[in-house]
Amino acid sequence: GAVVSQHPSRVICKSGTSVKIECRSLDFQATTMFWYRQFPKQSLMLMATSNEGSKATYEQGVEKDKFLINHASLTLSTLTVTSAHPEDSSFYICSARGGAVGTGELFFGEGSRLTVL
Amino acid sequence: AQTVTQSQPEMSVQEAETVTLSCTYDTSESDYYLFWYKQPPSRQMILVIRQEAYKQQNATENRFSVNFQKAAKSFSLKISDSQLGDAAMYFCAYRRNRDDKIIFGKGTRLHILP
Repeated sequence: GAVVSQHPSRVICKSGTSVKIECRSLDFQATTMFWYRQFPKQSLMLMATSNEGSKATYEQGVEKDKFLINHASLTLSTLTVTSAHPEDSSFYICSARGGAVGTGELFFGEGSRLTVL
Repeated sequence: AQTVTQSQPEMSVQEAETVTLSCTYDTSESDYYLFWYKQPPSRQMILVIRQEAYKQQNATENRFSVNFQKAAKSFSLKISDSQLGDAAMYFCAYRRNRDDKIIFGKGTRLHILP
């Protein structure tokens, strides 16, 4: 099956710094990617929808200036957590879809655990 | 707005027995998919089974099957012959086809007792 890879799988940073997480589709072109956040022992919450070549669409309550999403190519989307604070510590998961909306399978990355000290 | 409800935070089942995980959802859309995902300790989301809303026949994947009751907006997962490797967090999910957004339930942690 198709593979979606995230990097890094774990990152620890100091408060106030910025961290970039990459999501790559390895064997298909992903027209759309989704970013989720998962707190410990909780469900996945959709943060934003990223479409190649256009601005991301953020869910209500998600700060677009804090969570910068760039989808510059059909195989790569990046999530940058700017000026990170301890409350941003979480597990971030991306998913990617190839093909037209409503038709393609969605594949999940392995997730990235962010710890802000 | 769409919602997905899993009313069982945790469940336990004896190895080799059968267990059913419950899920209800709410939507006014007519075109959607329903999924069950498994999330083991590695945190990788693994697709267990999916059901297209327009199909009346319940989906089956080996030991996993669903009971899809569209009118009641119910989508339960049955695991037969439970194995130790089935222990994980299970998420019921709804995906609307017009934009592929997935909404997850809060999950059910399944324990397999040897």
